[in-house]
Amino acid sequence: NAGVTQTPKFQVLKTGQSMTLQCAQDMNHEYMSWYRQDPGMGLRLIHYSVGAGITDQGEVPNGYNVSRSTTEDFPLRLLSAAPSQTSVYFCASSYSTSGALGEQFFGPGTRLTVL
Amino acid sequence: AQKVTQAQTEISVVEKEDVTLDCVYETRDTTYYLFWYKQPPSGELVFLIRRNSFDEQNEISGRYSWNFQKSTSSFNFTITASQVVDSAVYFCALRPGGYQKVTFGTGTKLQVIP
Repeated sequence: NAGVTQTPKFQVLKTGQSMTLQCAQDMNHEYMSWYRQDPGMGLRLIHYSVGAGITDQGEVPNGYNVSRSTTEDFPLRLLSAAPSQTSVYFCASSYSTSGALGEQFFGPGTRLTVL
Repeated sequence: AQKVTQAQTEISVVEKEDVTLDCVYETRDTTYYLFWYKQPPSGELVFLIRRNSFDEQNEISGRYSWNFQKSTSSFNFTITASQVVDSAVYFCALRPGGYQKVTFGTGTKLQVIP
């Protein structure tokens, strides 16, 4: 299993540009999430999904869109990039067994710089 | 609302010393899960432990041990005989039962000096 994969690893954008961060998992996990990590802020939840076709907002959703058309993929879209979105982005997935939620498996991260 | 506090921003210890990383949480849920993750300098996030709210038994895994106390809403992490490879940022996280939203603490950066 490849686990959770993210592309690209690094990206530089200009203010106003749009892009999609890709995330895929091959563990058949129902739950997927996007986080951003900023110095001194820990990881903050952007959006999450509890299954294909179901998404919801996290703590810091503004400026980001998501969709979940398949169990495997959970892309994160920046419609109009801003310097405040400069960050490291992590995608994560987790399983559920008999109602018990498991730990999250994280992708390697995408380092995004918005100029 | 839920909250995770890791009051120690940075800790430095000399190799072979024991070190405890503190985690205090707040939640109104009676069922919840607590986690510790390690982020080494390479940047990936590595799962260390999960504990549910009904299991207050302490756990030991090699040099790592965890102390969960519901009475003080704490889930502390101790590394015994620290090693340079333990140098990393450690995150504590809280997840209410049945929900996807996970709240992370701001992390504690541990530096182990040889």
